[in-house]
Amino acid sequence: GIQVEQSPPDLILQEGANSTLRCNFSDSVNNLQWFHQNPWGQLINLFYIPSGTKQNGRLSATTVATERYSLLYISSSQTTDSGVYFCAVNPRDNTDKLIFGTGTRLQVFP
Amino acid sequence: NAGVTQTPKFRVLKTGQSMTLLCAQDMNHEYMYWYRQDPGMGLRLIHYSVGEGTTAKGEVPDGYNVSRLKKQNFLLGLESAAPSQTSVYFCASSDRGVGPYEQYFGPGTRLTVT
Repeated sequence: GIQVEQSPPDLILQEGANSTLRCNFSDSVNNLQWFHQNPWGQLINLFYIPSGTKQNGRLSATTVATERYSLLYISSSQTTDSGVYFCAVNPRDNTDKLIFGTGTRLQVFP
Repeated sequence: NAGVTQTPKFRVLKTGQSMTLLCAQDMNHEYMYWYRQDPGMGLRLIHYSVGEGTTAKGEVPDGYNVSRLKKQNFLLGLESAAPSQTSVYFCASSDRGVGPYEQYFGPGTRLTVT
C-alpha cells in the first residue's frame, strides 16, 4: 500500500521562528490533508490540498502531486502552534480511505 | 452544530470485558470512520461506513465490530477487550467519499485495557 513519510519527526522552535514540514507519499493520490493535533488531542483540519498552494494566516501549504510531496509552512511561530502535525492522503485506487503519516511533533517555546 | 461527538471520553476495561463506543454527527454526512491512534503513530483506520446500514473493513479491523443503524450514529464494539487495544479512538465523518471531501474528527476516546 501507499507509504506516507513525514519529516522531521521532531522540531523545536523559539517563538517567532519559521519552519517547513514535509510530507512524501509513494503513489498517486486523490486528496491530501494537513491536520494539527493540539496538546489536548483534538484533530483540527488545516488544509485540504490535493495540488497547488493555499494560505491561511501564518500557515500555508503547497502540494506538488507530480513529485509526490507536500510542504506545510509555519511563519512567525507561536506557542499555540505546538502539537503534532499530520498529513494524510487518499490513495488514487481507493476513494474511501485516508492514510496518515506518523507526524511531526512541534514544540514552540517562548 | 456540535459536529462530531464521541461517548465516553475515557474508559478503563479489564481483559475480556466488552464495551461500545458511540460516535454521533449532526452534519448529515454520509461517510463515517473509526480510527485508532497509538503513541508516536498516526491514525489507522479500523472500520468505516459509506452510508446508513453499511460497514466496511479498514486497515486494522480485527477484534472490533461496527454498526450504522442510523445515519447520524456509528458504533464501535469490542467484544473481548485485549491490552493491545489500549489506544485513543477517533471517529470522523465526511460528506461523501474521502476523495474530494474533508473529514471532520471527534475529540477522541481514551481506552485503557488492563
